[in-house]
Amino acid sequence: QVQLVESGGGVVQPGRSLRLSCAASGFTFSNYALHWVRQAPGKGLEWVAVISYDGNSQHFADSVKGRFTISRDDSKNTLSLQMNSLRVEDTAVYFCARRSITTNIASYYIDVWGKGTTVIVSS
Amino acid sequence: QSVLTQPPSVSGAPGQRVTISCTGNSSNFGAGYDVHWYQQLPGAAPKLLIYSNTNRPSGVPDRFSGSKSGTSASLAISGLRPEDEADYYCQSFDTSLRRCVFGGGTKLTVL
Repeated sequence: QVQLVESGGGVVQPGRSLRLSCAASGFTFSNYALHWVRQAPGKGLEWVAVISYDGNSQHFADSVKGRFTISRDDSKNTLSLQMNSLRVEDTAVYFCARRSITTNIASYYIDVWGKGTTVIVSS
Repeated sequence: QSVLTQPPSVSGAPGQRVTISCTGNSSNFGAGYDVHWYQQLPGAAPKLLIYSNTNRPSGVPDRFSGSKSGTSASLAISGLRPEDEADYYCQSFDTSLRRCVFGGGTKLTVL
């Protein structure tokens, strides 16, 4: 079945780096754009980043721009999020999510979510 | 402060109907971008509930329905059940911010 499984979370000190991965299965990975969405403890969902189906386009939330990079390896069906210069406010559950395929650009939505991996930034 | 505004909480008794509002602006809903809704049960990942304003994915009961008009949208849940107790999020795209945007979420309590 269609599945996204995140890994790589953990406890890290402010200013350090962490790399998250998302392993996909059950669908043609290279056909889909992919998001990272995070949720701080007790808070709502916050969109973090998106990468296009072909990897040629990436966009980031202002809160992570210049610190985070998103990449994909279609040969391994894997999405990654490299997080540098981590801050306490980056503490959250990070979800990998698949963007729907549609020809209507006014109607992009997330049709599959992973279960998330927890990142705690603390000294 | 979320770009899409939702009430923090709503409640209803089993069997009742509740609605959750989601207010946008001219840069998202008013610009023609659709609204989508997600349900997040306690301790779980979000799940797609309604897409493209009114459509239910396979497996979502028809007790859930969505609508959008102008710069506002709403999710209606009829025949409330205890298992509907969850957080609900609306989502769209904002052409001014050039990014995906979520509402702040609404906690539904089934009394």
